[in-house]
Amino acid sequence: EAGVVQSPRYKIIEKKQPVAFWCNPISGHNTLYWYLQNLGQGPELLIRYENEEAVDDSQLPKDRFSAERLKGVDSTLKIQPAELGDSAVYLCASSLPEDRGNTGELFFGEGSRLTVL
Amino acid sequence: QQQVKQSPQSLIVQKGGISIINCAYENTAFDYFPWYQQFPGKGPALLIAIRPDVSEKKEGRFTISFNKSAKQFSLHIMDSQPGDSATYFCAASMDYGQNFVFGPGTRLSVLP
Repeated sequence: EAGVVQSPRYKIIEKKQPVAFWCNPISGHNTLYWYLQNLGQGPELLIRYENEEAVDDSQLPKDRFSAERLKGVDSTLKIQPAELGDSAVYLCASSLPEDRGNTGELFFGEGSRLTVL
Repeated sequence: QQQVKQSPQSLIVQKGGISIINCAYENTAFDYFPWYQQFPGKGPALLIAIRPDVSEKKEGRFTISFNKSAKQFSLHIMDSQPGDSATYFCAASMDYGQNFVFGPGTRLSVLP
């Protein structure tokens, strides 16, 4: 079974430029998460989707960040415009529905490392 | 109240030794306490997890000890190996993934 797939793995951009990250969760996982991981820190939730609905976006900086999960499968996270402080790893994770054996485990992708110059 | 505190920030252990990492939480509504292991350039992966109805869970060399009254839990790695060198995150969540909160991480180095 394929894991959570993220792309690109690495992205270097100038400040004020836009950037987008893509995530394809494990098949059958209806819950999708985007996390921000700063260097030397634990992951911090940006947004959580249940199918195509964003059920928790309270930590998403909505002035420059946006996300979508149009068909309840893959998802895109966008930053526009990027700032120096956005340099971090953006992690995508997914989990099973509660009624399909969800044990609470999150399955993470390898992340997209963003460097803003 | 959503925070999970973790210590130490870094840990150096000799091969064969015991590694111990501690975490504490405040929110008594948390009902799932996992430990994630992360290697450089990789995403975190579940190592072991516990629910508050038991005080200890062991899987191979890895053991979680859970103290519900103190709101603390710890990870013990027995017979630590150089391949265990990674960053370890404790976490807590409720309702099957809602309000999932991670600790700041412990960087473990196991010397050969």
